[in-house]
Amino acid sequence: KAGVTQTPRYLIKTRGQQVTLSCSPISGHRSVSWYQQTPGQGLQFLFEYFSETQRNKGNFPGRFSGRQFSNSRSEMNVSTLELGDSALYLCASSLGGTGSGNTIYFGEGSWLTVV
Amino acid sequence: AQKITQTQPGMFVQEKEAVTLDCTYDTSDPSYGLFWYKQPSSGEMIFLIYQGSYDQQNATEGRYSLNFQKARKSANLVISASQLGDSAMYFCAMREALGTTSGTYKYIFGTGTRLKVLA
Repeated sequence: KAGVTQTPRYLIKTRGQQVTLSCSPISGHRSVSWYQQTPGQGLQFLFEYFSETQRNKGNFPGRFSGRQFSNSRSEMNVSTLELGDSALYLCASSLGGTGSGNTIYFGEGSWLTVV
Repeated sequence: AQKITQTQPGMFVQEKEAVTLDCTYDTSDPSYGLFWYKQPSSGEMIFLIYQGSYDQQNATEGRYSLNFQKARKSANLVISASQLGDSAMYFCAMREALGTTSGTYKYIFGTGTRLKVLA
């Protein structure tokens, strides 16, 4: 069974540009969430999508957005990039149910460097 | 206030020995889940073990076990017979409900412990 797949793995962008990251969840998983990881702030939750609807959002500016498609694949977009957006962006998928054992599984992440 | 606290920024352990990574948590939700993830230098977060707040027994998965002490609000990870490949960052995480009716959860991660296994 394939795991969570994220593309691209590495990218370098210039300040002011925008970037789109893609995530394909584990087959059958309907929930996709995104996290930003930096050395200074650790792992911070960006947002979660379930059945194409955003149902949970972290405390990030509106430059960070996302969406989910009918096949559960998800994209996140960051517009007007800033140097501080340099980070590892992790996508995680889960069944999305309310059961207590609902575990999130992560992809390998997308390393974004803003110069 | 920190909801997940990992007080050990770094740990060393000799190969084949056991090591305990500490994690304490804080929540008022009676139903919650505790997780441990391993993050090698490649970046991927690898799920290791899960403990539910109502589980009576400590969770075990191969060489990993979770020492769950509910009254003390601690969920320490024990790795037995350490291997060189265990060298990585380890994150403790908690899942708690966002609300009584939303049916959604949030995951909170600790700051991690970097484990180095020595040959």
